[in-house]
Order: sequence, then C-alpha cells, then structure tokens
Amino acid sequence: QQKVQQSPESLTVSEGAMASLNCTFSDGTSNNFRWYRQHSAKGLEVLVSIFSDGEKEEGRFTAHLNRANLHVSLHIREPQPSDSAVYLCAVRGSNAKLTFGKGTKLSVKS
Amino acid sequence: GPKVLQIPSHQIIDMGQMVTLNCDPVSNHLYFYWYKQILGQQMEFLVNFYNGKVMEKSKLFKDQFSVERPDGSYFTLKIQPTALEDSAVYFCASSFDRTEVFFGKGTRLTVV
Repeated sequence: QQKVQQSPESLTVSEGAMASLNCTFSDGTSNNFRWYRQHSAKGLEVLVSIFSDGEKEEGRFTAHLNRANLHVSLHIREPQPSDSAVYLCAVRGSNAKLTFGKGTKLSVKS
Repeated sequence: GPKVLQIPSHQIIDMGQMVTLNCDPVSNHLYFYWYKQILGQQMEFLVNFYNGKVMEKSKLFKDQFSVERPDGSYFTLKIQPTALEDSAVYFCASSFDRTEVFFGKGTRLTVV
C-alpha cells in the first residue's frame, strides 16, 4: 500500500523568497504525481502534475521527480501572501486512486 | 475550468440518522470518487465508481456507506446510520478517463 509523507509540516517564508516542499512515497512504480493546494473552506486546486523523472514547470510552481529516490518536491518561486495554504502531495495508483500526504502548511509573510 | 459542485457545503445531522451527500460531477465525466478528510488530518480515499459500479473501496468505506448515481445525474454518498466518527469533510471528484481528476469544494458533515 502506497504511503506518502510530506515535510516540513509547516513552513514560513518571506514574500519573494523561494519555498521548497518535500514529499516521499513508498512505491516507486507509479508514474503520476500531483501537487494540490488547499485553501481553507475551498476545494483542491491542482498546481502541477508530473509523470516522468525530471522537472515540470507550471508558472511559478516547479515539481521535481526522482522515482529512484522515491521523492518529489515542489518549489514556489516568488511566493506571495495569497499563496498561503496547505499544499498536498498525491500519488496516483491503480483505478486512479490518489494517496495523499498530510500536507505542508505554508505561510508567506509580507 | 471544469467544476464539480457539492451541495450543501455544510450539513449537521443527529447521530443515527441517515444523510445523503450530493455531488454534481463534470457533465461528460465517467469516473467518480469520494474522499474523506477529518479536520487536521490527511485526505483519504473512500471509493471510486464507474459504469454504475464500485471499482474499489477502502477500509474506511464502512458497510453503512453506499454510493450511487441514479439517472446519471448526481453522484451520491449515503451514510445510514451515521456515527460521530463520520464527522469530516467529504470531497467528491470526477474524471473523464482517469487522468486529470477534478475535486469539488467538499461538504462538511457534522454528526452530533
């Protein structure tokens, strides 16, 4: 059964400084990894989907995947206070089932 | 982008009563999912549904839970009877071909 762990649990950065979030998973056979953002009282917003080792950029959000190391990261360039939210890593398994991490709570200070 | 609508956003129910959570998926989507998130904890898969059948369910999908999509409109999660530990936010999701999955904003269920 896939296990997904995220670190750190919470992160505070200054506006404009790079924010880096980490995610490790237990089963490297998946080829579908996502980063979501969850604002309180709102749904999930998909930020980046990545399917192969390497880097995938979507605007200010860049995901790095290294399946050999069972690791996927998210880097947020020039974060703004409006980026303050919980960031969820998800790994897709069979039947399109997503296994989520517990999330990293990001706070961006102006 | 495509929207999954969940109605209502918050529901309060007495323990032991039945509750039905409604989800209006994206119109041409074929795969449907429910996830459960207890406050402060991680989002967990409950069930997925395709072609009128449950494809896979987790151990969180208790016997008191059922899903259906009658007349091809709303995708529903029914809990009968409810228990205190069912209090959580329930997220519905849908996808066309199991690639991109779109989530609703969730229904917060409070069992008292």
